[in-house]
Amino acid sequence: GAGVSQSPRYKVAKRGQDVALRCDPISGHVSLFWYQQALGQGPEFLTYFQNEAQLDKSGLPSDRFFAERPEGSVSTLKIQRTQQEDSAVYLCASSSSGQGGREQYFGPGTRLTVT
Amino acid sequence: GQQLNQSPQSMFIQEGEDVSMNCTSSSIFNTWLWYKQDPGEGPVLLIALYKAGELTSNGRLTAQFGITRKDSFLNISASIPSDVGIYFCPPKGETSGSRLTFGEGTQLTVNP
Repeated sequence: GAGVSQSPRYKVAKRGQDVALRCDPISGHVSLFWYQQALGQGPEFLTYFQNEAQLDKSGLPSDRFFAERPEGSVSTLKIQRTQQEDSAVYLCASSSSGQGGREQYFGPGTRLTVT
Repeated sequence: GQQLNQSPQSMFIQEGEDVSMNCTSSSIFNTWLWYKQDPGEGPVLLIALYKAGELTSNGRLTAQFGITRKDSFLNISASIPSDVGIYFCPPKGETSGSRLTFGEGTQLTVNP
């Protein structure tokens, strides 16, 4: 497909479990972003990659959150020891140019529910 | 951090009516993006604005980048039921870096 894809679309985890969320950006897009969207709120920035380099991780809420993009394409957002407050939709976006470009294209998101 | 205000928070209109919504901030930006989000989906880019005063259309949608670079407006003409959704207007500027900062959005409901 031509767009950003994310998997899984839905994830239910028990508190304390680790989860891994995958993002496949648009082919050739240099920049990749992760956002967290709580119910009824706008997306909030988590982290940003330019190719394989993580240039900004200032939005990650705690050290339980970790993101990687080892080959500059697919990215994984990992959350360790999940807590109920981690329940949210996690959105991935990509952009064609460096420095985050100007336009970001979003995937459908992964809805994480921690019970 | 920057404050982004979207107005109105919600709108209930009849099919066929025109709609206006806006975003304002105390900071200056050089890019303004408009997105629409349907339930269970990610935001979809509608219009991108890059210059102060710029007016851009996409079908029934028209957006303008305010001349002061602190605000932007989106108009939807002749609304239809599929216009229902949440509209976001994240701006970008030199101090915001690469990230997009979203407000709470404008929830649009169109009654057939």
